[in-house]
Amino acid sequence: SYELTQPLSMSVALGQTARITCGGNNIGSKSVHWYQQKPGQAPVLVIYRDSNRPSGIPERFSGSNSGNTATLTISRAQAGDEADYYCQVWDSSTGVFGGGTKLTVL
Amino acid sequence: EVQLLESGGDLVQPGGSLRLSCAASGFTFSNYAMSWVRQAPGKGLEWVSGISRSGGSTLYADSVKGRFTISRDNSRNTLYLQMNSLRAEDTAVYYCAKDNGPWGYCTNGVCPWWDYWGQGTLVTVSS
Repeated sequence: SYELTQPLSMSVALGQTARITCGGNNIGSKSVHWYQQKPGQAPVLVIYRDSNRPSGIPERFSGSNSGNTATLTISRAQAGDEADYYCQVWDSSTGVFGGGTKLTVL
Repeated sequence: EVQLLESGGDLVQPGGSLRLSCAASGFTFSNYAMSWVRQAPGKGLEWVSGISRSGGSTLYADSVKGRFTISRDNSRNTLYLQMNSLRAEDTAVYYCAKDNGPWGYCTNGVCPWWDYWGQGTLVTVSS
């Protein structure tokens, strides 16, 4: 089965840039979606199809995908960005999530 | 405003059954595929099942195949998940989620995403 690998946790200073990676075999050939989940809340879509932002998501959120790594970039990090972030792809008609990355804003 | 309201979560014994419901509003339910995603306590997200807009196509994770059945009633704007032969490892918050399109699977290289989620319902499997 297809696996997605994310760092368990990472931290970023307020106002700096966070880059959350999602590794998978030739993930660049797949469409990657990213979800943000704050404690006690449902997930929220922040990036779809590698690099597209849904309406209402700040321009500070961006995505890229190439080779074996997809990346979610959060520029000018704010306290409100502190959350768990999950990448997701489809493989053989199965939805696959990465293990999630807990982002702490210092 | 899109709203998804799950219900039916409960404490159930191993081997038991439960049916979850998800009442949808704020969009044309019959135009979109729907999915269930779960999250065990303190763990990550796990896709469980998806269904096309008509109900004619369904997909399941290997972990639930043969035990869970997804269905929908477009006249009632409601999504269901029938869960049988429940195990301790099925303990989780179950979210229903709206797909961005009608199919619930990849077509012509375009794969769906979930643009709206409910708040979830807790299923606990324990004796």
